[in-house]
Amino acid sequence: KQEVTQIPAALSVPEGENLVLNCSFTDSAIYNLQWFRQDPGKGLTSLLLIQSSQREQTSGRLNASLDKSSGRSTLYIAASQPGDSATYLCATSNTGNQFYFGTGTSLTVIP
Amino acid sequence: ETGVTQTPRHLVMGMTNKKSLKCEQHLGHNAMYWYKQSAKKPLELMFVYNFKEQTENNSVPSRFSPECPNSSHLFLHLHTLQPEDSALYLCASSQVDRGRRTNEKLFFGSGTQLSVL
Repeated sequence: KQEVTQIPAALSVPEGENLVLNCSFTDSAIYNLQWFRQDPGKGLTSLLLIQSSQREQTSGRLNASLDKSSGRSTLYIAASQPGDSATYLCATSNTGNQFYFGTGTSLTVIP
Repeated sequence: ETGVTQTPRHLVMGMTNKKSLKCEQHLGHNAMYWYKQSAKKPLELMFVYNFKEQTENNSVPSRFSPECPNSSHLFLHLHTLQPEDSALYLCASSQVDRGRRTNEKLFFGSGTQLSVL
């Protein structure tokens, strides 16, 4: 069974700093990987999806990379803002239908 | 709004009660999911419906009973729950191909926060 790990569990940075969130997975035979954002008491919002054939995806200040062979993905957030404070989760899909989630990184951006 | 609506937002029930969670998606997707989110644990997939057919049941106890009457609606019927079933229950939807695979984003509702007393 796929295991997804996210380190660190929590991260606090000053506003304006660039930061990297890490995600690792044990089974490299993935179909795709998604990064999500979750605000307290709310559902998840998909930020970026990277297909297995892709190396990275970008959306605004967010850039996600994928290295299947090493079982790693990173989410890069440029020029962080207080509104970026949330929990960020990554999830892999090995079959294209069942997703395995990490426990997330709780990000706090300090004004 | 995300296009996936869940009701109720909060639910408190006793161990002998019967209640139902409702999910409706307005995105035209053909796959719907129930997930359970407990504190400090990864999201756990409970059930998957593709084209209204249940295709996954991840060893979920029978006190949880899903129902998918059409591709837009999904229910989770609850009975004789245990206190450890207290959690955030999330519904999600996506578009899958005939091979039941998706390379599109997963959309979530805001969840139902369930407390079992």
